[in-house]
Amino acid sequence: GAVVSQHPSRVICKSGTSVKIECRSLDFQATTMFWYRQFPKQSLMLMATSNEGSKATYEQGVEKDKFLINHASLTLSTLTVTSAHPEDSSFYICSARAARAYNEQFFGPGTRLTVL
Amino acid sequence: GQNIDQPTEMTATEGAIVQINCTYQTSGFNGLFWYQQHAGEAPTFLSYNVLDGLEEKGRFSSFLSRSKGYSYLLLKELQMKDSASYLCAALDSNYQLIWGAGTKLIIKP
Repeated sequence: GAVVSQHPSRVICKSGTSVKIECRSLDFQATTMFWYRQFPKQSLMLMATSNEGSKATYEQGVEKDKFLINHASLTLSTLTVTSAHPEDSSFYICSARAARAYNEQFFGPGTRLTVL
Repeated sequence: GQNIDQPTEMTATEGAIVQINCTYQTSGFNGLFWYQQHAGEAPTFLSYNVLDGLEEKGRFSSFLSRSKGYSYLLLKELQMKDSASYLCAALDSNYQLIWGAGTKLIIKP
């Protein structure tokens, strides 16, 4: 299957700082990327869907000003957690999908964020 | 509303067979996925069904009945490394994935 990378894999930051997470599709063009959050022992929660070159669509309850998503190219999307707080500590996972390839959604390895 | 139901937890014995069921209610339907997720890792793709019937892939098989809104994942010859959460997800009419809460599978020797 296709490869999706995420960077960093782990990040620890102080409360109030901003953290940027990158998601890259390495061998295909990802017209759509998804950002998920997963708290311990819970299922994936979709935060937002981003299509290359357009604004992200956020799920209900997700603050767009706090979780900034940029999908400027067909191989890169970034999630910036602004003014992070301890309650933002979670496992953030991105996934990517090529145009019209609805049956193929590939996941990155995830980023473990810990906010002190 | 849209909903995916699957058992929270199942226990099975090494070498045995286990079936994890999933029922779904979605606005439209464009296929059903099964993913495996080990603790602390991202999900990995196991199967995709869009037509009725059974699809076999090695030790894992997945079944779909669209008329019943039902799918199952069958794992044979269980190994300890199969201990993981198994996520069922349905693709709705907008091609959005609707996720179940996952089934934690515990394999005992």
